[in-house]
Amino acid sequence: ETGVTQTPRHLVMGMTNKKSLKCEQHLGHNAMYWYKQSAKKPLELMFVYNFKEQTENNSVPSRFSPECPNSSHLFLHLHTLQPEDSALYLCASSQGGQGSYEQYFGPGTRLTVT
Amino acid sequence: GDSVTQMEGPVTLSEEAFLTINCTYTATGYPSLFWYVQYPGEGLQLLLKATKADDKGSNKGFEATYRKETTSFHLEKGSVQVSDSAVYFCALSDPHAGGTSYGKLTFGQGTILTVHP
Repeated sequence: ETGVTQTPRHLVMGMTNKKSLKCEQHLGHNAMYWYKQSAKKPLELMFVYNFKEQTENNSVPSRFSPECPNSSHLFLHLHTLQPEDSALYLCASSQGGQGSYEQYFGPGTRLTVT
Repeated sequence: GDSVTQMEGPVTLSEEAFLTINCTYTATGYPSLFWYVQYPGEGLQLLLKATKADDKGSNKGFEATYRKETTSFHLEKGSVQVSDSAVYFCALSDPHAGGTSYGKLTFGQGTILTVHP
């Protein structure tokens, strides 16, 4: 499945590092999403972009900074993270605008903060 | 607000057993309903969907029927295989949600399924 790709697949970073996660979708969609998946916790929606505009920020700490330069690319910039930020970060995309559209997910980036 | 409740897991079955994973929802409108599956080390994959009452979604031997009267969307498979071992998520999307809510999926907590040979 190459519809939604994420890089890197695995990332280990120290608490003082700065890194970025990248997501790219090849499906012609206009909405993109970042989710956080932690062990034994429900899937958490972090950010939503519709037509490159951020339409949702679910009280995410400022150490996570999203960027959506165009409808095909989505980044998550990370800085001064905490160990509790270790999780699987999933990107997804769907058709944009109002409606009920399924989301297509990437394979995720497994992040470990040391 | 909208919510999705799945049966508690984990679920452990022998190969060829019948599978049911219960899912119920609350929503203010008439949502679309989805089942996603997550295999170990991977992201979520759409398994099946239904967009209106009495619709049946099906894929890879899995089925689920949109029951408006009981607000349910239970996942079933007649004969599971070891390769079906994964985490299953029920989700809904409200097509008429306004403001910043359109396009959002509300997920259940996930049900871990393990199938033994």
